[in-house]
Amino acid sequence: GIQVEQSPPDLILQEGANSTLRCNFSDSVNNLQWFHQNPWGQLINLFYIPSGTKQNGRLSATTVATERYSLLYISSSQTTDSGVYFCAPNNAGNMLTFGGGTRLMVKP
Amino acid sequence: DSGVTQTPKHLITATGQRVTLRCSPRSGDLSVYWYQQSLDQGLQFLIQYYNGEERAKGNILERFSAQQFPDLHSELNLSSLELGDSALYFCASSAGTGQPQHFGDGTRLSIL
Repeated sequence: GIQVEQSPPDLILQEGANSTLRCNFSDSVNNLQWFHQNPWGQLINLFYIPSGTKQNGRLSATTVATERYSLLYISSSQTTDSGVYFCAPNNAGNMLTFGGGTRLMVKP
Repeated sequence: DSGVTQTPKHLITATGQRVTLRCSPRSGDLSVYWYQQSLDQGLQFLIQYYNGEERAKGNILERFSAQQFPDLHSELNLSSLELGDSALYFCASSAGTGQPQHFGDGTRLSIL
C-alpha cells in the first residue's frame, strides 16, 4: 500500500510564528485530506486538496501530486492550533491512509 | 460539528466481552467508513460500506464485523475483546467514493 511520511514529527512554536508541515507519499493519489486532531481527540477536516492550492483563513495547503507531496502552512499561529496534524491521501478510491502526524505545540 | 454522530462516546468493558459501536452518517451521505486509532498502529482504515453493501476492507480483525442498515446508519461489532483493542474508533461518511470524508467524534474503548 501507499506509504505516507510527515515531517517534522514534533514542532514547538511561539504564538504568532509561522510554520510549514510536509507530507510525502509514495504513490499517485486520487485526492488528499488534511486533518487537525485537537486535544479532545476530535478529527477536524482542514482541506480536501487533490492538487493545487487552497486557503482558509490563516491556513493554506498545497498539493503537488506529480511530485507526491503536500504542504500545510500555518501563519500567525495561536495556542488553539495545538494538536496533531494528519495528512491522509486516498489512492485506492475508498480508504484514507494516514501519516504518523505532526504534533504541534503553540506556546503563549 | 461534522454532522456524523457516534455513540457511545466512551465505553469501558472487560476482556472477552462484546460491544457494538454505532454511527449515523451526515444527511445524504451513502458511504460509511470505520477507522481505528491506537497508540501502536496509529490511524488505520477498517472497513467501508456504501448504501448497505460492503465496499472495501482494510486491516479489520476477524473478531470485528460491521454492517450498514437501510436507514444508512452503521454498527461496528467487536467481540472476544483483548487489551490491545483499546483504541479510539472513528466513523466517517462521504457522499461517495473519492469524496471528502467527514469524521465523527469517535468512541473511546477501554478494555480492562
